[in-house]
Amino acid sequence: QVQLQESGPGLVKPSETLSLACSVSGGSISSYYWNWIRQPPGKGLEWIGYVSYIGNTNYNPSLQSRVTISLDTSKKQFSLRLTSVTAADTAVYYCARLIASLDRGDMDVWGKGTTVTVSS
Amino acid sequence: EIVLTQSPGTLSLSPGERATLSCRASLSVSSSHLAWYQQKPGQAPRLLIYGASSRATGIPDRFSGSGSGTDFTLTISRLEPEDFAVYYCQQFGGSPLTFGGGTKVEIK
Repeated sequence: QVQLQESGPGLVKPSETLSLACSVSGGSISSYYWNWIRQPPGKGLEWIGYVSYIGNTNYNPSLQSRVTISLDTSKKQFSLRLTSVTAADTAVYYCARLIASLDRGDMDVWGKGTTVTVSS
Repeated sequence: EIVLTQSPGTLSLSPGERATLSCRASLSVSSSHLAWYQQKPGQAPRLLIYGASSRATGIPDRFSGSGSGTDFTLTISRLEPEDFAVYYCQQFGGSPLTFGGGTKVEIK
């Protein structure tokens, strides 16, 4: 079955750029939308954005000026870049597969999550 | 932005009892684009219900979803020990995609 695995630094300094990757195994990139979601400590889920299988992107307006999500189909991997980070960006970051159609709009496969702390 | 408001914030129940969780949207949401997730401590969310009422693969039939428009409900008919967790609703009908704030179902 499809599995997702996040990777990247667990510690980022304030004002620097957070970069994470999500590797897709056991299935195809095609026909799905590939998402990043984050969860600050003790809080709820916040959608960051997605890249579609054909490279279209959609971002949360609250983060749009700082976020880039990209797709590398040859590596079966998609990536998150978040610039100018502050302590408020400290969170568990999840990648997830979104089924997006007229009949569905839900995330059926999730990575285990990776903790990113912003601190000097 | 469509805001999803979940209530109650915390539900204290005993195993075997029925749990009813509410998700209210600030604007109408297509039923096709309303989902529910379960999250246990230290774990990623797990899809329970999609399309407002369809159970995801492997989800027991004690979980059911209903509703339309702006009011949606997740019902757990008889709580099992493994059901004590936080539950989130999520909509994809309007951009951005949003989650509710969550309902924690705790053991009474």
